[in-house]
Amino acid sequence: EAGVAQSPRYKIIEKRQSVAFWCNPISGHATLYWYQQILGQGPKLLIQFQNNGVVDDSQLPKDRFSAERLKGVDSTLKIQPAKLEDSAVYLCASSLFEVFNTEAFFGQGTRLTVV
Amino acid sequence: TQLLEQSPQFLSIQEGENLTVYCNSSSVFSSLQWYRQEPGEGPVLLVTVVTGGEVKKLKRLTFQFGDARKDSSLHITAAQPGDTGLYLCAGANNAGGTSYGKLTFGQGTILTVHP
Repeated sequence: EAGVAQSPRYKIIEKRQSVAFWCNPISGHATLYWYQQILGQGPKLLIQFQNNGVVDDSQLPKDRFSAERLKGVDSTLKIQPAKLEDSAVYLCASSLFEVFNTEAFFGQGTRLTVV
Repeated sequence: TQLLEQSPQFLSIQEGENLTVYCNSSSVFSSLQWYRQEPGEGPVLLVTVVTGGEVKKLKRLTFQFGDARKDSSLHITAAQPGDTGLYLCAGANNAGGTSYGKLTFGQGTILTVHP
């Protein structure tokens, strides 16, 4: 079974530039999460999709971050404009729908460095 | 906002020693998950505990869910260098009145086991 795919693995941009990350979840997983992880800390939920609808984006900085999930499958996360404090690993995860205590499968993440 | 506090934040021990990592919250969770994350990779699920007072063993790792389902612990016996990594607890709940789940992570415990 293929895992969660993310790209790119690494990205270095200057502040005020824009950047986009892509995620392809495990086939059949209706729930998709984007997490931000600062080095050495736990992941912080940015946004959660159920199919192609947003169910939680309370911690997403909406003035600069946006996300969409096309046709309930792939998802993109965009930052525009980027700030230095956005430097982090952005993790995408997916899980089965309605079985909320089930495992979240994570991708390898995208390491973003803003200089 | 449901918070999970992990302690200690850092743990550096010698091979063969025992250790315990704690995960505490003032909130009740439907289940508690423990993940392990290696550098450059996404978190990988170790175990899910669901019932208050539940104890699960995975080789040298013992996981316990508190009776009130607010706290959990991870105990490693005779630690090995291969146990080195970031250990994360995550609480799962049904997000208020909806049918989808919400996964909240602790800040993590960085474990280093020296040969």
